[in-house]
Amino acid sequence: QKEVEQNSGPLSVPEGAIASLNCTYSDRGSQSFFWYRQYSGKSPELIMSIYSNGDKEDGRFTAQLNKASQYVSLLIRDSQPSDSATYLCAVRAISGGYNKLIFGAGTRLAVHP
Amino acid sequence: EAGVAQSPRYKIIEKRQSVAFWCNPISGHATLYWYQQILGQGPKLLIQFQNNGVVDDSQLPKDRFSAERLKGVDSTLKIQPAKLEDSAVYLCASSPTGPLGGSGNEQFFGPGTRLTVL
Repeated sequence: QKEVEQNSGPLSVPEGAIASLNCTYSDRGSQSFFWYRQYSGKSPELIMSIYSNGDKEDGRFTAQLNKASQYVSLLIRDSQPSDSATYLCAVRAISGGYNKLIFGAGTRLAVHP
Repeated sequence: EAGVAQSPRYKIIEKRQSVAFWCNPISGHATLYWYQQILGQGPKLLIQFQNNGVVDDSQLPKDRFSAERLKGVDSTLKIQPAKLEDSAVYLCASSPTGPLGGSGNEQFFGPGTRLTVL
């Protein structure tokens, strides 16, 4: 069973700080990685995708991928209370010739003023 | 562009009863997914449709769960009979690409149906 592991948290950071969220995955052949944000009682929304080793930046968000270490992370700069949510790491897997996403359990982030 | 629609938003039933959920994906999206999200866990894929055909139902408890996607558009997920452990949020998502296609393959999620089994 392909797995995606995340620290459940909560990760508590002060407003304005950098929040660092981490994810490891078991399938060495995985090529596509996604970060979803899920507010309490809401559905997941995609915030970042990354496919190549290195960093990918989008506004205050930076995704980092290291395929050799099977590790993907999300950095949130200048954290705001509105960033408080659960962040889900998802990895694309191939099953029976078709793509599907395997989600981690999520890390709960709390940004306090 | 309208998003993924789901109904009902909330449902409370007693164990051994049956329940059905409905999903209308984003217009033109070929791939439709049903996920189960138990509190404190990530979404778990139950079934994946490409148009009106099933491409993955490996984690669907087929003795009690069934799903269909008639005409490749709307989909229904049914549980009969429900168990206490089925209490969860059932999320429907759709994707514009086929299951094999696109480096993005972004999935758009509906608001979910929160099921409580008593």
